[in-house]
Amino acid sequence: DTAVSQTPKYLVTQMGNDKSIKCEQNLGHDTMYWYKQDSKKFLKIMFSYNNKELIINETVPNRFSPKSPDKAHLNLHINSLELGDSAVYFCASSQLERGGQETQYFGPGTRLLVL
Amino acid sequence: AQKITQTQPGMFVQEKEAVTLDCTYDTSDQSYGLFWYKQPSSGEMIFLIYQGSYDEQNATEGRYSLNFQKARKSANLVISASQLGDSAMYFCAMSGISNFGNEKLTFGTGTRLTIIP
Repeated sequence: DTAVSQTPKYLVTQMGNDKSIKCEQNLGHDTMYWYKQDSKKFLKIMFSYNNKELIINETVPNRFSPKSPDKAHLNLHINSLELGDSAVYFCASSQLERGGQETQYFGPGTRLLVL
Repeated sequence: AQKITQTQPGMFVQEKEAVTLDCTYDTSDQSYGLFWYKQPSSGEMIFLIYQGSYDEQNATEGRYSLNFQKARKSANLVISASQLGDSAMYFCAMSGISNFGNEKLTFGTGTRLTIIP
């Protein structure tokens, strides 16, 4: 019973193509996120959605467009892929808990390689 | 803006010894959360432990404990009785609050821990 799942796990594509990564969570969380992990393992927030509404957009090129059809799904579409887009993309979800803790649970990651 | 600093890019520790992974942070927020995640070679991000800024006691989860020193702005992870399976990248992270109250995580650069048999 996977909590946060992503598809595909690996994605190899040519420069200039358009691709999508899908994310689903079955935790009943209200908030979902996309993070990018670069080749030096540095993780950075890209987007956050709460109940299908965009909350955080961290100066990501507009070639990246997140879409949330419902609060359990947050997909990432990337247009005109560039070499520098090669990275691992992580989806995460969270819910505010009693006491103020809001732990983010991550999906397995999607390894994108642009050739 | 939040900033997380992990000054140890790599550590080698003998199996069964305790290990401390350093993390310092900087923030102007009064309320914040501190997290540690483990990333094994398989690539997934595994949540380990959380410390709230107003928690008076250090957090513990099994063999993991968080040595929280608020005045020094440090949140070191302590792993007791290390095991071979503890070999992984470890990330310290801090929660920030957006205008809508939802939190984003700011990550440090990570520490690669290797446990030696």
